[in-house]
Amino acid sequence: ETGVTQTPRHLVMGMTNKKSLKCEQHLGHNAMYWYKQSAKKPLELMFVYSLEERVENNSVPSRFSPECPNSSHLFLHLHTLQPEDSALYLCASSFRRDSYGYTFGSGTRLTVV
Amino acid sequence: GQQLNQSPQSMFIQEGEDVSMNCTSSSIFNTWLWYKQDPGEGPVLLIALYKAGELTSNGRLTAQFGITRKDSFLNISASIPSDVGIYFCAGQSNTGNQFYFGTGTSLTVIP
Repeated sequence: ETGVTQTPRHLVMGMTNKKSLKCEQHLGHNAMYWYKQSAKKPLELMFVYSLEERVENNSVPSRFSPECPNSSHLFLHLHTLQPEDSALYLCASSFRRDSYGYTFGSGTRLTVV
Repeated sequence: GQQLNQSPQSMFIQEGEDVSMNCTSSSIFNTWLWYKQDPGEGPVLLIALYKAGELTSNGRLTAQFGITRKDSFLNISASIPSDVGIYFCAGQSNTGNQFYFGTGTSLTVIP
């Protein structure tokens, strides 16, 4: 149990589908992050939320849309994805933005067909 | 973004052997972190380093913050099968908040 829970663990979706990834933490952390992990590449930071406010958006295509309704929950809404978007999507949290390392969830393995 | 180079990319070792891996950057970092990722799971923080020259241990793991502040090292002594996984370094510079991750070192331990 990592303290950061991601659902679903696996997701297969067509390019015309709309789906959402969910992340939940009850660690009392105030910052949450979405990362994309592709094979043979470093973790790519997608979005940062600090105190429920989006503070960073690393040039991510608009087909990825984050939502942070409160400090414990983070969503990533997906629509009209491309096959190259297939990857492991990791959620992480930390007490303050970029402080003392992150606690990661187990990730959602996304396959776009 | 910042480039972190990890080496080796992969290692195949016999159980009981010691392991060494490193991470280098082109710029100075103030913080180095080492994570391990088991198959099908997210990365888990192993060791955090905050000062140049710092040497920190966590059980059989020892990590060092290089004195140039551009590199870090991770050693695993007397490896066991559960050490299998991918080890990532991450660094944070003094010019920004973001942590940058390396590409990982994949470790396989042969019983």
